[in-house]
Amino acid sequence: NAGVTQTPKFRILKIGQSMTLQCTQDMNHNYMYWYRQDPGMGLKLIYYSVGAGITDKGEVPNGYNVSRSTTEDFPLRLELAAPSQTSVYFCASSYIYSYNEQFFGPGTRLTVL
Amino acid sequence: AQTVTQSQPEMSVQEAETVTLSCTYDTSESNYYLFWYKQPPSRQMILVIRQEAYKQQNATENRFSVNFQKAAKSFSLKISDSQLGDTAMYFCAFITFTGNQFYFGTGTSLTVIP
Repeated sequence: NAGVTQTPKFRILKIGQSMTLQCTQDMNHNYMYWYRQDPGMGLKLIYYSVGAGITDKGEVPNGYNVSRSTTEDFPLRLELAAPSQTSVYFCASSYIYSYNEQFFGPGTRLTVL
Repeated sequence: AQTVTQSQPEMSVQEAETVTLSCTYDTSESNYYLFWYKQPPSRQMILVIRQEAYKQQNATENRFSVNFQKAAKSFSLKISDSQLGDTAMYFCAFITFTGNQFYFGTGTSLTVIP
């Protein structure tokens, strides 16, 4: 089991560019999440999904979009990147219930200049 | 509003000593789950310990234990016999039984001194 994998590990974007952060899990988890972690802060939920075809907003969804066409994949799309989106992004997944342990990917460090 | 507060941004402990990290939270729900996650310099988030709010008995996992005070909405983490590998950022988090969102604190950076 690879667990939760994220690509890329690092990325530098220019203001106004777009990109997709990839997330894949091989544990057959129904719940998947995207968080951002700003320096010195905890994790803030961007979007989550309770299963294929179902997504919902978290605390900080503005400037992002997601899709969930399969159980395994949950990509996060950044449109028109802004410096405020400079952060570390974590993908996570959990099984059956949202209150079960979340398994995290290694994170993507994104810088917008 | 659902909030988590970790009032100790940084802490240090001598190797083999015991340290306690504080966490308070706020929720109007009565059924929820509490977690401590560890984030070492590698950035990988790892579950340390989990506590169900309906259980009065405090959870333990080897050298890690919690002091859960439901009425006070307090959930502290005790690390016994601290090891160098315990050096990390520690996050307190909770989720309600009916909710879909974890709420994280801002973290406590723990350094174990040899």
